[in-house]
Amino acid sequence: ETGVTQTPRHLVMGMTNKKSLKCEQHLGHNAMYWYKQSAKKPLELMFVYNFKEQTENNSVPSRFSPECPNSSHLFLHLHTLQPEDSALYLCASSQQGPDEQFFGPGTRLTVL
Amino acid sequence: KQEVTQIPAALSVPEGENLVLNCSFTDSAIYNLQWFRQDPGKGLTSLLLIQSSQREQTSGRLNASLDKSSGRSTLYIAASQPGDSATYLCAVADRGSTLGRLYFGRGTQLTVWP
Repeated sequence: ETGVTQTPRHLVMGMTNKKSLKCEQHLGHNAMYWYKQSAKKPLELMFVYNFKEQTENNSVPSRFSPECPNSSHLFLHLHTLQPEDSALYLCASSQQGPDEQFFGPGTRLTVL
Repeated sequence: KQEVTQIPAALSVPEGENLVLNCSFTDSAIYNLQWFRQDPGKGLTSLLLIQSSQREQTSGRLNASLDKSSGRSTLYIAASQPGDSATYLCAVADRGSTLGRLYFGRGTQLTVWP
């Protein structure tokens, strides 16, 4: 256990659905991250939040909408996704950038 | 833009061997370099973090070295075991990007057979 939890662990959704991924960290960290891991591609940073403020949006399509209500929770809201969005979505946290990052177990997303 | 390369892409060895995994990066202006382990379908487990001012870090059978000027890091695994089988990822936090942004290599997939 890394102190970072993610729910759900698996998600199957249609292209017209709306769903949300949740991440919670129990480490007292101030920075949280969303990453995408697709088959045969390096891990890609999507969003960075420092002290609840978004400090990085790595040119992510608007069908992905992050939300960080406090330093312990991070959400990724999904709507009208495409099949190519199927991937493992990983959440991470650190005390603050660029400290050591701790990752959650990920959400395996399949878009039909 | 920082680019991270890991060699080899895959490695299969018998139990007991000492291993060397390589990581190179293009921009030497880094904050730190982190080595992770990933089991199939799972998240990442942090193994070692080397700050830019450090030359190496050790944890148990693992030793990571950093040569910032040449843009290289090496992960040594001593006396490998089947439980070491996983994908090993190298990631760099560089000074030219948003604080906390990590650039990842594609990983080395390690198989240790009994």
